[in-house]
Amino acid sequence: QKEVEQDPGPLSVPEGAIVSLNCTYSNSAFQYFMWYRQYSRKGPELLMYTYSSGNKEDGRFTAQVDKSSKYISLFIRDSQPSDSATYLCAARDNYGQNFVFGPGTRLSVLP
Amino acid sequence: DAGVTQSPTHLIKTRGQQVTLRCSPKSGHDTVSWYQQALGQGPQFIFQYYEEEERQRGNFPDRFSGHQFPNYSSELNVNALLLGDSALYLCASSRGGQGDTQYFGPGTRLTVL
Repeated sequence: QKEVEQDPGPLSVPEGAIVSLNCTYSNSAFQYFMWYRQYSRKGPELLMYTYSSGNKEDGRFTAQVDKSSKYISLFIRDSQPSDSATYLCAARDNYGQNFVFGPGTRLSVLP
Repeated sequence: DAGVTQSPTHLIKTRGQQVTLRCSPKSGHDTVSWYQQALGQGPQFIFQYYEEEERQRGNFPDRFSGHQFPNYSSELNVNALLLGDSALYLCASSRGGQGDTQYFGPGTRLTVL
């Protein structure tokens, strides 16, 4: 079992829809959780960074962490065609120096 | 404020050759991590450098080695290239050696023929 899992998609939604992207993880020691957006053939861009459980909102993006169920979510409101990209979730514990990434979910927002 | 920069952008090598990739961290960052991202996969951790030393290493063979310079820039060296080494190599920088929030560079796309 991989430490961080994501549905690879592709996920297609119409412009303006609310998008829900999800990850599960197996290591209960993970405390830090990140969402990155990666456009084709580019480096990942940090979107959201959260510590432990709870919600964090930034503009159209909301990140949720539920440590009891080891579940991470990213919600995108009023989705735009420019949101079309691969979304990567990542996690690490308090001691690890590296982040463990999921395989990414490919999102297409159709105009 | 310059972000993370990597060079070269693209590289084509043949099996058995050696390659060196370079990374300059974001201003104010002193920690550099290297990742390998195969097509359709998430980044896989190779190793991290802090204070010019390798702090942690992922599940990669000794053919993968690195170095960090006093100005915090870093190099990734891969010897005896295999076809399976073809990937996007990403450098990420952060502060304080804690692996904190990592910011990625654009990557170097390596093709091994």
